[in-house]
Amino acid sequence: QVQLVQSGAEVKKPGASVRVSCKASGYTFASYALHWVRQAPGQSPEWVGWITTANGNTRYSQKLKGRVTFSRDTSASTAYMELNNLRSEDTAVYYCARLVSSGNLDLDYWGQGTLVTVSS
Amino acid sequence: QSVLTQPPSASGTPGQRVTISCSGSRSNIGSESEYVFWYQQFAGAAPKLLIHRNDQRPSGVPDRFSGSKSGTSASLAISGLRSEDEADYYCATWDDSLSDWVFGGGTKLTVL
Repeated sequence: QVQLVQSGAEVKKPGASVRVSCKASGYTFASYALHWVRQAPGQSPEWVGWITTANGNTRYSQKLKGRVTFSRDTSASTAYMELNNLRSEDTAVYYCARLVSSGNLDLDYWGQGTLVTVSS
Repeated sequence: QSVLTQPPSASGTPGQRVTISCSGSRSNIGSESEYVFWYQQFAGAAPKLLIHRNDQRPSGVPDRFSGSKSGTSASLAISGLRSEDEADYYCATWDDSLSDWVFGGGTKLTVL
């Protein structure tokens, strides 16, 4: 069965960086792009960006462009999100999700989420 | 403040039909080429795809759920309301002006 398993919760200080991993199983990793979505406590989801797992192409949200970087290791069926220069407003649950069809936002499988807490 | 406006709450009794609206603009929902997606989220869980491409249900989603789009607005309708439908619902679409995928502020559905 399709699964996306993310790395565990992180607590970081302002200015630090965090890397979240998303390991896929149950399907051919390079056949589906992955989106990253975050959700601050009590807020609606916010799109972070996507990575085309086949070739590594990326697209980032305008808000986070310059601070966020996606990468992937196809041999390990794992995608990564790194967010730099963390601020308190980056505190959120970060999700990876599999994209069904290019150019859309039909995300059919989601990771369990990774809570990133930014606090001094 | 989201560019997609949803009512913060909605409610209904079991068996009723409830509609949740999602209001946007010409740069997002009102753009003919942009589809609207709906997600359902239970507390402590990841969002679940409920409707894609305005009105399409993924396999496994009951036909009690339906979506529509008209002009700069979209709607999610739930008929035959059940207690297990109690959740948060979010609309989402691409915004041409922002060049981002955007989500609505969410609607908390209560089944009375």
